[in-house]
Amino acid sequence: KAGVTQTPRYLIKTRGQQVTLSCSPISGHRSVSWYQQTPGQGLQFLFEYFSETQRNKGNFPGRFSGRQFSNSRSEMNVSTLELGDSALYLCASSLGGSSAYEQYFGPGTRLTVT
Amino acid sequence: DQQVKQNSPSLSVQEGRISILNCDYTNSMFDYFLWYKKYPAEGPTFLISISSIKDKNEDGRFTVFLNKSAKHLSLHIVPSQPGDSAVYFCAASAKETSGSRLTFGEGTQLTVNP
Repeated sequence: KAGVTQTPRYLIKTRGQQVTLSCSPISGHRSVSWYQQTPGQGLQFLFEYFSETQRNKGNFPGRFSGRQFSNSRSEMNVSTLELGDSALYLCASSLGGSSAYEQYFGPGTRLTVT
Repeated sequence: DQQVKQNSPSLSVQEGRISILNCDYTNSMFDYFLWYKKYPAEGPTFLISISSIKDKNEDGRFTVFLNKSAKHLSLHIVPSQPGDSAVYFCAASAKETSGSRLTFGEGTQLTVNP
């Protein structure tokens, strides 16, 4: 079974621009979560989507948004990029049922904001 | 407010010996705990998990122990192998309040010396 895939793997953007990251979950997984990893803050939860609905949201500004499509694929958007948004963005998928906690991560997208 | 803490940033052990990684948490609502392993430039890989109704879960060389009264969990790797060298994250989830959202510790860099 194919794992979680994320595109692109690397991205360089300029401050003020916007960016869209994509995530394809493991086949059959209906929940997709996004995390930001930075050296100073570790792994921080951004949001979770389940059946095209945002089910959970972390403490990030409104510049960070996401969506999920009917095939469970998800996109994450960051508008008006700031230097501090430079990070590894990780997507994780899970079955999403009431008893399914294990999340499986993709390789991440390394975003650099200059 | 760091709800999940891994107080040891690094740990070095000899091949064949036991590795013990520790994790403390403060949120009594957490009811599911997971350990992930992460290599550089890759996403975290799920290792093992434990529900709060158990105090031990074993999978091959990996055993996780949970002490709810102390709000402490540990991961034992026996025997340790050089390929186990990676950053290990513990994570926790509170189903009632945050669904499948994971709260991560800061990570512990494990080095297994041949």
